[in-house]
Amino acid sequence: DQQVKQNSPSLSVQEGRISILNCDYTNSMFDYFLWYKKYPAEGPTFLISISSIKDKNEDGRFTVFLNKSAKHLSLHIVPSQPGDSAVYFCAASTLGGGADGLTFGKGTHLIIQP
Amino acid sequence: DTGVSQNPRHKITKRGQNVTFRCDPISEHNRLYWYRQTLGQGPEFLTYFQNEAQLEKSRLLSDRFSAERPKGSFSTLEIQRTEQGDSAMYLCASGVMSEQYFGPGTRLTVT
Repeated sequence: DQQVKQNSPSLSVQEGRISILNCDYTNSMFDYFLWYKKYPAEGPTFLISISSIKDKNEDGRFTVFLNKSAKHLSLHIVPSQPGDSAVYFCAASTLGGGADGLTFGKGTHLIIQP
Repeated sequence: DTGVSQNPRHKITKRGQNVTFRCDPISEHNRLYWYRQTLGQGPEFLTYFQNEAQLEKSRLLSDRFSAERPKGSFSTLEIQRTEQGDSAMYLCASGVMSEQYFGPGTRLTVT
């Protein structure tokens, strides 16, 4: 049973526009959420995270929103750039400090069109 | 480069052989994690070390898998009697607090 779901396998966005990647989770014990970006033949690169005590966290062009009641989070990238084309993974943990294994979604392949 | 490093990057082996992978974490990180990733899936947690102590193991870590982290520095992951189903990317990550930082992975192909 997938506890972290990314229902869009791929997303195509025009350069300069906003990219919105979505993630849903089922385990109400999750209290820390992370987004990773992955290029082919490389390991995932940490992008941004959010604790369950917050509903928004911003870092440059990246903003993560958390809706605990809906068990939903989203990653906004504004403006989208060609280098943003990659697979994006949503991940969650239960101990609030990352001291356990992360549970990942299957990823969304973001394609930025010129 | 002070990131997480993994060796080898690629390993091809025949079914039934043993393989060992190495992970060198970021030097100040006391937490080290192993994950496995197959095509079309996200990484799946295998095991976790805090310093030299192995504190958590996933049910995915069968008896053929063993991991060590002597002296709380580098870590090794050994797979005995490899099976074709073991073919995957094996990722190592290290961290101090909430975030985990991944290495480039070792791609294992079992023929």
